[in-house]
Amino acid sequence: EAGVAQSPRYKIIEKRQSVAFWCNPISGHATLYWYQQILGQGPKLLIQFQNNGVVDDSQLPKDRFSAERLKGVDSTLKIQPAKLEDSAVYLCASSLNGPTFFPETQYFGPGTRLLVL
Amino acid sequence: AQTVTQSQPEMSVQEAETVTLSCTYDTSESNYYLFWYKQPPSRQMILVIRQEAYKQQNATENRFSVNFQKAAKSFSLKISDSQLGDTAMYFCAYEDSSGGGADGLTFGKGTHLIIQP
Repeated sequence: EAGVAQSPRYKIIEKRQSVAFWCNPISGHATLYWYQQILGQGPKLLIQFQNNGVVDDSQLPKDRFSAERLKGVDSTLKIQPAKLEDSAVYLCASSLNGPTFFPETQYFGPGTRLLVL
Repeated sequence: AQTVTQSQPEMSVQEAETVTLSCTYDTSESNYYLFWYKQPPSRQMILVIRQEAYKQQNATENRFSVNFQKAAKSFSLKISDSQLGDTAMYFCAYEDSSGGGADGLTFGKGTHLIIQP
């Protein structure tokens, strides 16, 4: 079974530029998450999708960050314009989660390492 | 809001020794799940072990076991017979299940575990 795929793996941009990250979850996984992991910290949830609907985006800086999950499969996360403090690893994760009360294991991708200069 | 605290930024032990990583959390919920994730250098995060709060029995997975103290809100990870491949960042994480279905994970800051040969 293929894991969660992310691209690009690395990205260097200058502040005020735009950047987009792509995630392809494990086939059949209904729930998709984007996390931001700043150096020296644990990942922080940015947004959660259930199929193609947003479940939680309370920690997403909506003035500059946007995300979509078209057709309930792949997802893109965009930053426009980027700031220095956006330098981080952006992790995508997915879980099977059907109509259940029990949280299921989240499987993480390799992440995209973003450096904003 | 839930918080997860890992008070040991770094630990170092000799190969074959037993090591315990500490984690405390704060929540007002009664139903939740706790996890330990491992993030090897430059590799993706993987689940080590999970514990359902409603279960009194501590979870075990081969050399990995937890000590779950619900009243004290403590969730430590014990690694027995440590191996060089255990060298990694270890994150304690919390997920609320009171609302049903999946939520995002709340992570601690992590403990960098180094296994010395």
